[in-house]
Amino acid sequence: QLQLQESGPGLVKPSETLSLTCTVSGGSISSTTYYWGWIRQPPGKGLEWIGSVYYSGSPYYNPSLKSRVSISVDTSKNQFSLKLYSVTAADTAVYFCARLLIGTSRYFYYYVDVWGKGTTVTVSS
Amino acid sequence: DIQMTQSPSSVSASVGDRVTITCRASQAVGTRLAWHQQKEGEAPKLLIYGASTLQSGVPSRFSGSGSGTDFTLTINSLQPEDFATYYCQQAYNFPLTFGHGTRLEIK
Repeated sequence: QLQLQESGPGLVKPSETLSLTCTVSGGSISSTTYYWGWIRQPPGKGLEWIGSVYYSGSPYYNPSLKSRVSISVDTSKNQFSLKLYSVTAADTAVYFCARLLIGTSRYFYYYVDVWGKGTTVTVSS
Repeated sequence: DIQMTQSPSSVSASVGDRVTITCRASQAVGTRLAWHQQKEGEAPKLLIYGASTLQSGVPSRFSGSGSGTDFTLTINSLQPEDFATYYCQQAYNFPLTFGHGTRLEIK
């Protein structure tokens, strides 16, 4: 059974870079059936998609964060990573990594079908 | 971006009740719509995809319907473990977007 595990610092200073890694176990990140992504949830609020990436690259980002975010894949380690630059208190949230089940070029879709447990990141000096 | 509007934002119900939650997309998404359940302090969990297909292991008291812009999630015979927050998610295109959530509380 596929599992996702987030790791990274729980506290980041304002203006610095938030860096998280998601380790995939029980399956290969190089599968052609999935995208991999990050979703966050500020305290007491709803879910915000940050971005997603295919195993070979080609990331998609939320336009609201596009200027500050980078998502990459390391197939040799079966991991993918998130970098969010120039963080502020508004970036304080639980960050989830996730797997997206995708369709074909004839019938496309992007369902979040597996979630990591989430990791809390606080932005504070 | 496709905006997802859920209603109600919260609902109170009793064990054994039937509850319906609605989700409206700002543009047509076909049946590319998922429902996720999130319990307090936990990660969300996929319940339904394709608007009406139950994810493996999800009890049959959950059902989904709809297409285009209007969708519903129905829970029959509520069980104690069903009290949670429910989110719809459009799977039509990037950026992925979620509804703001419906909190299902015990009456």
